[in-house]
Amino acid sequence: AQRVTQPEKLLSVFKGAPVELKCNYSYSGSPELFWYVQYSRQRLQLLLRHISRESIKGFTADLNKGETSFHLKKPFAQEEDSAMYYCALSGRSSSNTGKLIFGQGTTLQVKP
Amino acid sequence: DAGVTQSPTHLIKTRGQQVTLRCSPKSGHDTVSWYQQALGQGPQFIFQYYEEEERQRGNFPDRFSGHQFPNYSSELNVNALLLGDSALYLCASSLGASKGDEQFFGPGTRLTVL
Repeated sequence: AQRVTQPEKLLSVFKGAPVELKCNYSYSGSPELFWYVQYSRQRLQLLLRHISRESIKGFTADLNKGETSFHLKKPFAQEEDSAMYYCALSGRSSSNTGKLIFGQGTTLQVKP
Repeated sequence: DAGVTQSPTHLIKTRGQQVTLRCSPKSGHDTVSWYQQALGQGPQFIFQYYEEEERQRGNFPDRFSGHQFPNYSSELNVNALLLGDSALYLCASSLGASKGDEQFFGPGTRLTVL
């Protein structure tokens, strides 16, 4: 079964503290993994994807195929990072045309 | 470019009625995907349209149907509405219906079924 699990509904940290948003996936094949973010009163937008291996707004995520995880990390949280974060996957197969499977989301709250 | 636009913003219907939601993709995009997001949940894939045809479908009943027009805009139709259809409906556009292409999301249409 194709599934994305984000075990924490809410993660609350203080400004300057490290952040790790957890994401585990189940997929029989070679998926592409993404993190999407939704800031207050804004639309869902792509934060980063594993194939680009970029750091966006200080966030990084490494795909661990052994543990089937794609955790999102930032060494020093900022108040403007407060948002809803969704982990998502897209399968790499001829029958898959970019359908995204989302986790339930984690609300990150960064306190001053 | 306004990006992906959706209309209407909010909609209230009663059980058994039918509803049509509309989406205009980002300029230059030819593929439209629809997602349903229930309260407190992540978006769930409904279907995707490319070249005016449904390319892929999620686990949704036939009451959910769609259409894509030659200008790439799209409609989502839901018949015989149920209370459980109350959700935020998101439209996303991308280029070429290829796996891994970034999907750009619209602001959503909030549907309430009474």
